[in-house]
Amino acid sequence: YVLTQPPSLSVAPGETAIIPCGGEDIGSRSVHWYQLKPGQAPVLVMYYDSDRPSGIPERFSGSNSADTATLTISRVEAGDEADYVCHVWDTGFAQHVFGSGTKVNVL
Amino acid sequence: EVQLVESGGGLVQPGRSLRVSCTGSGFDFENYGMHWVRRLPGKGLQWVSGISWDSGTVGYADFVGDRFSISRDNAKNSVFLQMDSLRPEDTAFYYCVKNSDSGWSGNPNWFDSWGQGTLVTVSS
Repeated sequence: YVLTQPPSLSVAPGETAIIPCGGEDIGSRSVHWYQLKPGQAPVLVMYYDSDRPSGIPERFSGSNSADTATLTISRVEAGDEADYVCHVWDTGFAQHVFGSGTKVNVL
Repeated sequence: EVQLVESGGGLVQPGRSLRVSCTGSGFDFENYGMHWVRRLPGKGLQWVSGISWDSGTVGYADFVGDRFSISRDNAKNSVFLQMDSLRPEDTAFYYCVKNSDSGWSGNPNWFDSWGQGTLVTVSS
């Protein structure tokens, strides 16, 4: 099962970053998202499509429908600059699958 | 606070073996599935292996074949990854990861806590 993410996107502070994760009928799966920063442990920022772990700001939201899941970061801050990776369970091959990640650049 | 601390990484020659370890604290280790996930240099994440709370079921990524073996010792709050027949393409940061529940597979399962990672370099 293949998850497709754009390599990068750029957003100005205060604007909204919309990070897509494409996959065949991904809307029928649960999608989870992780934030990766250099030198730090990865952080879960969204699970079960749209649930936020404790400690993750309300500016982070998620959705999932049809062939695209989306992580949205509203009112982007400099500290949000990171790679964001989506994740699903591949039932057919009994494996966890990650997208290739999207680097969010804050201008 | 959940903490996962990996150890055992290092430089190893192709074809040799290495065992990486992880010790967890701040949660009931024996009640949760655990995973190893790696990040290749300049690339994204790859799931490597998972193990259920009681070691009853395990799983491996296709690229592992029969080269790696995951295990755990709940008495020591530890999970291990034994890696044999290492290849240069196995060079990566290896992360110890806590599963969201007692298993490791199925929908939904997510990875709710990660360690800092340990670097494994396979080179002659």
